[in-house]
Amino acid sequence: TQLLEQSPQFLSIQEGENLTVYCNSSSVFSSLQWYRQEPGEGPVLLVTVVTGGEVKKLKRLTFQFGDARKDSSLHITAAQPGDTGLYLCADLTSNTGKLIFGQGTTLQVKP
Amino acid sequence: GAVVSQHPSRVICKSGTSVKIECRSLDFQATTMFWYRQFPKKSLMLMATSNEGSKATYEQGVEKDKFLINHASLTLSTLTVTSAHPEDSSFYICSATGPGNTIYFGEGSWLTVV
Repeated sequence: TQLLEQSPQFLSIQEGENLTVYCNSSSVFSSLQWYRQEPGEGPVLLVTVVTGGEVKKLKRLTFQFGDARKDSSLHITAAQPGDTGLYLCADLTSNTGKLIFGQGTTLQVKP
Repeated sequence: GAVVSQHPSRVICKSGTSVKIECRSLDFQATTMFWYRQFPKKSLMLMATSNEGSKATYEQGVEKDKFLINHASLTLSTLTVTSAHPEDSSFYICSATGPGNTIYFGEGSWLTVV
């Protein structure tokens, strides 16, 4: 059974600070996705990475995929209160849309 | 655009009763849907794969007799929590893959068992 570990589990920072969230898998990812979720809502897709070593940027967010395709990081530059939420990495394990989620990182950005 | 809708969004039921949650794909057909469970401040845990016209595939540790899944049409999957107990209280959310292999999540359903 695949295990996805995220670290840290909780993070509370001040507005303007930078942060990095990590995701490590016990096995090679089929296709890695990062989501952000707010309480009581469905997760929102941020990015999909497939190729080892891939780097993608989405405004202030930078996603890196490890060369061995077993780890990933999400870096946020100059965090804003609107970045507050639960960040989830997930393995898209089939073309039917089956997702295995990591443990999640709860981010709080204080103004 | 493609949307997945869940109903009800919130439900309170008494211990020992059963409650049904619906997941509909509104403008696309989905032969496969997925049900997840989420506790407060925790991640989403895959419960089962709902297969249209056949039995659902349950993840390890999920009781199939407790969480009944029926996928009777290409646009509707239902999750029935049977003989509910307070520990079944949780946020339940479904997903389906729509056009362009985009994954769409329902709005989620809060279940409280009292």
